[in-house]
Amino acid sequence: GDSVTQMEGPVTLSEEAFLTINCTYTATGYPSLFWYVQYPGEGLQLLLKATKADDKGSNKGFEATYRKETTSFHLEKGSVQVSDSAVYFCALSDGNNAGNMLTFGGGTRLMVKP
Amino acid sequence: GAGVSQSPSNKVTEKGKDVELRCDPISGHTALYWYRQSLGQGLEFLIYFQGNSAPDKSGLPSDRFSAERTGGSVSTLTIQRTQQEDSAVYLCASSLVEGMNTEAFFGQGTRLTVV
Repeated sequence: GDSVTQMEGPVTLSEEAFLTINCTYTATGYPSLFWYVQYPGEGLQLLLKATKADDKGSNKGFEATYRKETTSFHLEKGSVQVSDSAVYFCALSDGNNAGNMLTFGGGTRLMVKP
Repeated sequence: GAGVSQSPSNKVTEKGKDVELRCDPISGHTALYWYRQSLGQGLEFLIYFQGNSAPDKSGLPSDRFSAERTGGSVSTLTIQRTQQEDSAVYLCASSLVEGMNTEAFFGQGTRLTVV
């Protein structure tokens, strides 16, 4: 079945540091890939997505490129801010079952210190 | 409504009691999903509704769990004879099922604690 693996946290960075959160996936078809973010006390929000190989999703300074050859969708940001502190979830939807059901990674907590 | 609404936001119940969790999806969204977020298990898919029918119930962890959706809108997740391992945050999401990359919008969840 489908699965998503992402680096375990917590990841602790200083403000303006470079961020990478690794994500790899296993899927039977050609999935769409997503990063969701959960800020403290809030619900899950879509951060960015990519629907086919070599697509780059971007939002709020975050980027991730759909790499089919390495089955990866790593999240990057050049300069993190304290307000980026949150839990980040990588996810996929392969459209083969349950509508647009999402398969999630375990989540990575990011803490950014001033 | 403006977003997906879940109630209650927090629920503490005694072991063995039944609980009902409610989800109001975004108006017009035909697809509705329930997920469970628990320590050590991450985010698990529970059940999916397309309109009022549930084509996929594969994620429900046991027969103590059931869900229904009426009028293509509100959904209720019921857990009977709750156990401590049911303690988790239960998340609801809705989307327009028009393609594989359709965004799912999540509610803030119901935090269930079984004591």
